[in-house]
Parts: sequence; structure tokens; C-alpha cells
Amino acid sequence: GENVEQHPSTLSVQEGDSAVIKCTYSDSASNYFPWYKQELGKGPQLIIDIRSNVGEKKDQRIAVTLNKTAKHFSLHITETQPEDSAVYFCAASPVGAAGNKLTFGGGTRVLVKP
Amino acid sequence: SQTIHQWPATLVQPVGSPLSLECTVEGTSNPNLYWYRQAAGRGLQLLFYSVGIGQISSEVPQNLSASRPQDRQFILSSKKLLLSDSGFYLCAWSKGTSNQPQHFGDGTRLSIL
Repeated sequence: GENVEQHPSTLSVQEGDSAVIKCTYSDSASNYFPWYKQELGKGPQLIIDIRSNVGEKKDQRIAVTLNKTAKHFSLHITETQPEDSAVYFCAASPVGAAGNKLTFGGGTRVLVKP
Repeated sequence: SQTIHQWPATLVQPVGSPLSLECTVEGTSNPNLYWYRQAAGRGLQLLFYSVGIGQISSEVPQNLSASRPQDRQFILSSKKLLLSDSGFYLCAWSKGTSNQPQHFGDGTRLSIL
């Protein structure tokens, strides 16, 4: 089955700097890659996703890049703000996965210092 | 727009007591539904998923069960809770077509005493 590794497990950045989180996946059939942000005591919220027919997607200060050959994808947050502090999860889903199951990475705790 | 509701938000139960957590989705039909458990500071473990009424797939052997009595209702149950059942339980839904995002509720924090 699919296996997703996420790094780093914790990330501390100064406000205004950029943050980068990297994920690798094992199943070359995976073609859908969402990213979630989880604030304390709440459920994960989808922040951006990418499908395998594109290499990069941007939404304001957030961007995701995908390298299918190397089987890795990354989340980039620019001009970080204190409200970006949260736990971020990457996930992958193979084509035709039963029930649209997602395989999640272990999460990255991001702390933005003012 | 679609919304997902989970209740209760917090629950404290004694060991050996029964459990029933409920999740409902509004604004969509025939969704896929999921139950996850998240231990403190850890990742998301998929417990059950359902692609239709009465159709339940279990991902890990455990003390819990799930049921889907209606299209947009998903219930997580236990006859006798164990200490190890403590955790943060999350319900999610997705559209039934392939490669769709899952959308999560705000979870139930379950503490077993």
C-alpha cells in the first residue's frame, strides 16, 4: 500500500520568513495530493491540493509543487504570519483507491515566532 | 454548501461503558464517510470508511464498530470502552467520485477514566 513520509516533524520560523514542508510517497499510481492545516482542538482543514497533471499550484501565500519522477511534493508558505502556526498534514491517494482513501504523512508542527 | 456536524465535542466515560458518537453531513448526497482517531500529538489513523448505506469497511482491528443507518449519518460505537480508546475522533466526508478531498468535522475528544 501507499506510504507517505513527511519532514520536518517540527519547524520554527520567524514571522515574514518562508516555511517549506516536504513529503515523499511510495506508490507511483498516486495522483492526488491534498494538504491540511489543523489548529489546536479542531479538525484538519483542506488548504490546497494538487493533481498529477500539474507540477505547481498557488493560492495567495501558499504553493504546492509536485515531482512525480522523484515521488515527492512540497508545501511552501511565504511571508509567514503568527496565524500560520498549526500542524500541517500532507496526504496521497492512488488512482481508484477504495473509498477515496487518503494516506497521511505524520504531520509537521509549524511555529511562527513574532 | 456542505457542512459536517459531530457531537459531542467532548466526552468523559468510565472504562467498560458503552459509546456512541454521531456524525451527520448536510448539502450532499451519497458521500463517502470516514472515522479517524488521532492520539495526542500524532497523525491520523483511519478506523472505518463507508461508500454507502450499510456498507462499512474496517481498517484496523479494535474495540470499536461503525454503522451508517442513513445516507448522511455515520455512527461510531463501542459496547465496552477500554482505556486505550481515549483520543480525538474525527469524522470526514468526501464526494463519491475519485480523487476528491476529504472534509473533516471538528472532532470529539474522548477521555476514558
